[in-house]
Amino acid sequence: KNEVEQSPQNLTAQEGEFITINCSYSVGISALHWLQQHPGGGIVSLFMLSSGKKKHGRLIATINIQEKHSSLHITASHPRDSAVYICAVVKGGNQFYFGTGTSLTVIP
Amino acid sequence: NAGVTQTPKFQVLKTGQSMTLQCAQDMNHEYMSWYRQDPGMGLRLIHYSVGAGITDQGEVPNGYNVSRSTTEDFPLRLLSAAPSQTSVYFCASSRTSGGYNEQFFGPGTRLTVL
Repeated sequence: KNEVEQSPQNLTAQEGEFITINCSYSVGISALHWLQQHPGGGIVSLFMLSSGKKKHGRLIATINIQEKHSSLHITASHPRDSAVYICAVVKGGNQFYFGTGTSLTVIP
Repeated sequence: NAGVTQTPKFQVLKTGQSMTLQCAQDMNHEYMSWYRQDPGMGLRLIHYSVGAGITDQGEVPNGYNVSRSTTEDFPLRLLSAAPSQTSVYFCASSRTSGGYNEQFFGPGTRLTVL
């Protein structure tokens, strides 16, 4: 069983919709990362969270340490947001464990 | 800054061959790591390093060897390639260790073992 579970696995949205991607984990962690993998394969870091909430442009990430849950929200979605979004948790300071990703398609 | 670079971009090996995947960063980052990405499995940590001369195993280290003689370079060696090592390999770096910093990823190396 993967220590990091993401839902949904696949998501299709109309342009402008509000999108939520969820990440649940089963172990104690020191930090949680959200990554974006472009259709061409490149991976970029979106957020690093150890508590609370962060916002960058139209993206918002939240984490609830007690419930072992994080969410990534995209407001006013756009076709260029189409990508795979990956949740990763950090255990023991240096060990990263990844979810299998959520594939998002935003239709114009 | 070039960021994190990886070579080669593509490689085909025969079973039993050895090779080295190169990774370099020009950001003076302490932490460097290697991952493999397989369909349906997500990324998995192979080895990581928290500084020159210091390496440690990740989740799937078997069949791979690493060393870190300089801050900039972190090569991954396949000692005797097996078809199960067919994957896309990503190298990443961050300013310090501990998972508290932004991770910078290389473009990946697609490896096929026949």
